[in-house]
Amino acid sequence: DGGITQSPKYLFRKEGQNVTLSCEQNLNHDAMYWYRQDPGQGLRLIYYSQIVNDFQKGDIAEGYSVSREKKESFPLTVTSAQKNPTAFYLCASSISGMGNQPQHFGDGTRLSIL
Amino acid sequence: DAKTTQPNSMESNEEEPVHLPCNHSTISGTDYIHWYRQLPSQGPEYVIHGLTSNVNNRMASLAIAEDRKSSTLILHRATLRDAAVYYCILRNSNYQLIWGAGTKLIIKP
Repeated sequence: DGGITQSPKYLFRKEGQNVTLSCEQNLNHDAMYWYRQDPGQGLRLIYYSQIVNDFQKGDIAEGYSVSREKKESFPLTVTSAQKNPTAFYLCASSISGMGNQPQHFGDGTRLSIL
Repeated sequence: DAKTTQPNSMESNEEEPVHLPCNHSTISGTDYIHWYRQLPSQGPEYVIHGLTSNVNNRMASLAIAEDRKSSTLILHRATLRDAAVYYCILRNSNYQLIWGAGTKLIIKP
């Protein structure tokens, strides 16, 4: 079945360490997104990509980096500059960035600090 | 950026209809209204979306006010599996996606 796969499901980071969250989709979607969700809150956009080799900052990009070298992959790196990385991270994709296109989400990665 | 306002929580009885309201008084002409729902520790699931006209699909109906400043998600016959947090968001072609805290729907058996 087509969908979005996020890995790992749980991830622990040591102080000063960079970690990379994986997001892969086989839906042939052009647009991909990364969100952060804190307990009891809605989603906040970190980065998005409209097409391969292109990505844009969202509302809370500081301390994060992304790449989009392949259409199906959009990994997120949480750098040591992100001082409060503990959160639930969600990856999504859509056919395009047009307003009438729904987003499809993965099952998320929960990141915690050791 | 246009924002949405939803009640923090709502309760409903099983097998009864549920009407989940959303206010978006600053909506622009190009904003689509999307609804998603989320179970604990899972990614959101798309429910329905619309622009101006009411919409129906197998999961729910979306009623949009004539001035587009509010909308209502209608679950015609709630089941225990419909218990989730429901998000009303606005989406336009500039990749603006504004997520609020959503409405926690509690279904009583």
